[in-house]
Amino acid sequence: QSVLTQPPSVSGAPGQRVTISCTGSSSNIGAGYDVHWYQQLPGTAPKFLIYANSNRPSGVPDRFSGSKSGTSASLAITGLQAEDEADYYCQSYDSSLSGVVFGGGTKLTVL
Amino acid sequence: QLQLQESGPGLVKPSETLSLTCTVSGGSISSRTYYWGWIRQPPGKGLEWIGSIYYSGNTYYNPSLKSRVTISVDTSKNQFSLKLSSVTVADTAVYYCARHAFASGILLWFDPWGQGTLVTVSS
Repeated sequence: QSVLTQPPSVSGAPGQRVTISCTGSSSNIGAGYDVHWYQQLPGTAPKFLIYANSNRPSGVPDRFSGSKSGTSASLAITGLQAEDEADYYCQSYDSSLSGVVFGGGTKLTVL
Repeated sequence: QLQLQESGPGLVKPSETLSLTCTVSGGSISSRTYYWGWIRQPPGKGLEWIGSIYYSGNTYYNPSLKSRVTISVDTSKNQFSLKLSSVTVADTAVYYCARHAFASGILLWFDPWGQGTLVTVSS
């Protein structure tokens, strides 16, 4: 049971837009702590995708965007491509645990 | 660019201690703006933060693992290490090391990550 809740799976056709939600609580996202996102392609290490809710590191396509509101955050991917098929994880800080928490991960399938 | 590489035994017996080392290249582990972290991922499951260490030796641990975890740093070798005691089959996972950003006392994102190393707990 992860502290941050993500849907187990989402899917979309090439070219479409998909969103992945990440729901927390008053001790993490709701407390104002930033949310960060990672993309994990099959058999590889996670790749840093979004930091501080909505910022893209250098080299990440602008098809990826993040947002945060209240106790939740979202990752949006537009212009879906086959290469986007991967697992996506959200991450934040939790004051009750005094540490890092991850979402359970969402598997994105490109139809 | 900064690179991290995990090393250590791929097989550990139940009740023994898992020991891994992460070697940092292309940058200094003594950076004042980063912690250095360990994250694990059981086969087919999600990511779990284990703990993070500053170059001075200050540490943060996942409360659920704290009683069994020790993370240490060796600045002379640009390395940091993980020890997890009394392992069981549930500790079988890919173990990743990563640079851990922090600011204002808050642990932030992980980037970059090592490639990961699979540790299997089995007799």
